[in-house]
Amino acid sequence: DVKVTQSSRYLVKRTGEKVFLECVQDMDHENMFWYRQDPGLGLRLIYFSYDVKMKEKGDIPEGYSVSREKKERFSLILESASTNQTSMYLCASSLGGRNSPLHFGNGTRLTVT
Amino acid sequence: QKEVEQNSGPLSVPEGAIASLNCTYSDRVSQSFFWYRQYSGKSPELIMSIYSNGDKEDGRFTAQLNKASQYVSLLIRDSQPSDSATYLCAVSGSTLGRLYFGRGTQLTVWP
Repeated sequence: DVKVTQSSRYLVKRTGEKVFLECVQDMDHENMFWYRQDPGLGLRLIYFSYDVKMKEKGDIPEGYSVSREKKERFSLILESASTNQTSMYLCASSLGGRNSPLHFGNGTRLTVT
Repeated sequence: QKEVEQNSGPLSVPEGAIASLNCTYSDRVSQSFFWYRQYSGKSPELIMSIYSNGDKEDGRFTAQLNKASQYVSLLIRDSQPSDSATYLCAVSGSTLGRLYFGRGTQLTVWP
């Protein structure tokens, strides 16, 4: 079974803090993704990566950056956290190619106060 | 912007009934289609994938795809209270590897 592990289940940070969300997958997947999910807005793609050191902007990249130094690890960085970044953050990975489904981690519930 | 539309629901069915969940998509190049189940407070879980026109059955679940009509559906037979969840439709697009998600349909199965 694919295992996608997110480092924290719940996180509380203060406005202006730099926040790191970590994600690790154990299936040698090529693609990795960061989404946020908010009630009524569904899943929104922040960033994704096809390969090590590669990154592509999703639909809502503003206020976020990412890092993929190793194939199995994809980090989401909030440079200066704001209250409107309070959300559920979901990491996902996929094998690659056009027919690959996404496999999600358990999510990180981030609250910015 | 790729559009994936789902009935927002909520959809409520009695135990033992057939639940029908629908999804339409705008991008004609889409080739892969997935259904995810998401329980409250949990992450989405893949339950079905379909790539060719027609029906695909897996236990109590049947996915149906009609590319000409740009329509994909999920039928849940003999619905159980444990099927109560939000169901997300996901569709591939021209960007390799990326999936586009609908906002989900909330299903409640009452005993």
